[in-house]
Amino acid sequence: ETGVTQTPRHLVMGMTNKKSLKCEQHLGHNAMYWYKQSAKKPLELMFVYSLEERVENNSVPSRFSPECPNSSHLFLHLHTLQPEDSALYLCASSREVGHQSSYNSPLHFGNGTRLTVT
Amino acid sequence: AQKITQTQPGMFVQEKEAVTLDCTYDTSDQSYGLFWYKQPSSGEMIFLIYQGSYDEQNATEGRYSLNFQKARKSANLVISASQLGDSAMYFCAMSPEATSGTYKYIFGTGTRLKVLA
Repeated sequence: ETGVTQTPRHLVMGMTNKKSLKCEQHLGHNAMYWYKQSAKKPLELMFVYSLEERVENNSVPSRFSPECPNSSHLFLHLHTLQPEDSALYLCASSREVGHQSSYNSPLHFGNGTRLTVT
Repeated sequence: AQKITQTQPGMFVQEKEAVTLDCTYDTSDQSYGLFWYKQPSSGEMIFLIYQGSYDEQNATEGRYSLNFQKARKSANLVISASQLGDSAMYFCAMSPEATSGTYKYIFGTGTRLKVLA
């Protein structure tokens, strides 16, 4: 069993649909992240949650709405997306954030959700 | 501004040979972490190796080693005895100091490595 699990692996949705991406981590981490990976671009940080509180919102459009009900689960709710939102969406977790030693905590990623908006 | 630069968009290496993937970084933080990740075609980002800014020894993990040159701000990944399964995208990343008030792990644009049989 992988430490970070994302579902679904693939998603095709129309611009008027509403869908959600799910992420679950079994590593006992207290920080979770959403990243967007588009072709030929660096990974883009979207949101960071630490101890279930959102600590970073990286100027993401409101059509993306995150939810972190507890430290093990993270959702990304999608509505009225655009074709340019098609990308690989990666969830990650880390041991701690905002502490003195947090810089040595690697991110652990899920397999990602490949999203296509038609 | 914090930045990671990977200047090699693509690399080829013969099986069983060693290869070096370049990474330079820019930061004003005193404490930071440097990481390498591997991303196969399946999409998952796999953590390979970590180097702390205060570590005097270069990090090693099996066939992976990190050539850390702090004065030059470089953190190159060396893969020894390349295997066909090493073919993937490789990303260099940096984590910020906690006191910088940001939680942004900075990623480079990646290097695509192809191992030739």
